[in-house]
Amino acid sequence: SQELEQSPQSLIVQEGKNLTINCTSSKTLYGLYWYKQKYGEGLIFLMMLQKGGEEKSHEKITAKLDEKKQQSSLHITASQPSHAGIYLCGADQGAQKLVFGQGTRLTINP
Amino acid sequence: KAGVTQTPRYLIKTRGQQVTLSCSPISGHRSVSWYQQTPGQGLQFLFEYFSETQRNKGNFPGRFSGRQFSNSRSEMNVSTLELGDSALYLCASSIGLAGAFTDTQYFGPGTRLTVL
Repeated sequence: SQELEQSPQSLIVQEGKNLTINCTSSKTLYGLYWYKQKYGEGLIFLMMLQKGGEEKSHEKITAKLDEKKQQSSLHITASQPSHAGIYLCGADQGAQKLVFGQGTRLTINP
Repeated sequence: KAGVTQTPRYLIKTRGQQVTLSCSPISGHRSVSWYQQTPGQGLQFLFEYFSETQRNKGNFPGRFSGRQFSNSRSEMNVSTLELGDSALYLCASSIGLAGAFTDTQYFGPGTRLTVL
């Protein structure tokens, strides 16, 4: 079965700094989703990547998919307190099933 | 459009009891997937329903079951509750017609179940 490893598990950054979260898969990625979760709440859809080399941006968040490395990265530019939360990557297993990484907890210090 | 709604938001039960959780998908979405989230195991897929039929199932015991109604609303039932069933249960809705690939799933706020 496919497994996803996220790094780092936890990240504390100063407001205004840039940061990157990585998601590495044990198998080929056919579709990779990024979600954000506030503690104890539901997941908020951020982006979906399907093709190798694909890159998508939304506001200050950019995600890339490196098919050869079986890896995706999420980059936040000029972080703000609103970016704080848990970021989860999910790999498409087909038929509406996603396998998720353990998450990266992001804290933004003012 | 209204988002995915789940009821109840919080639930406390004792071991051996059963529980039913409800999920109303986004209007027009016909697929509902259920996930269990715990600190130890993370987010794990339970099952998915489309047009009242279970299409996909994760590795959970038979105590976990679900169903979907003709209006796409879904319920999840857990019988003979165990302490380890304490978790955040999330449902996600999607259009569900993407064939081999997964449509974007939109998640509800979750139901936090505590088993004492």
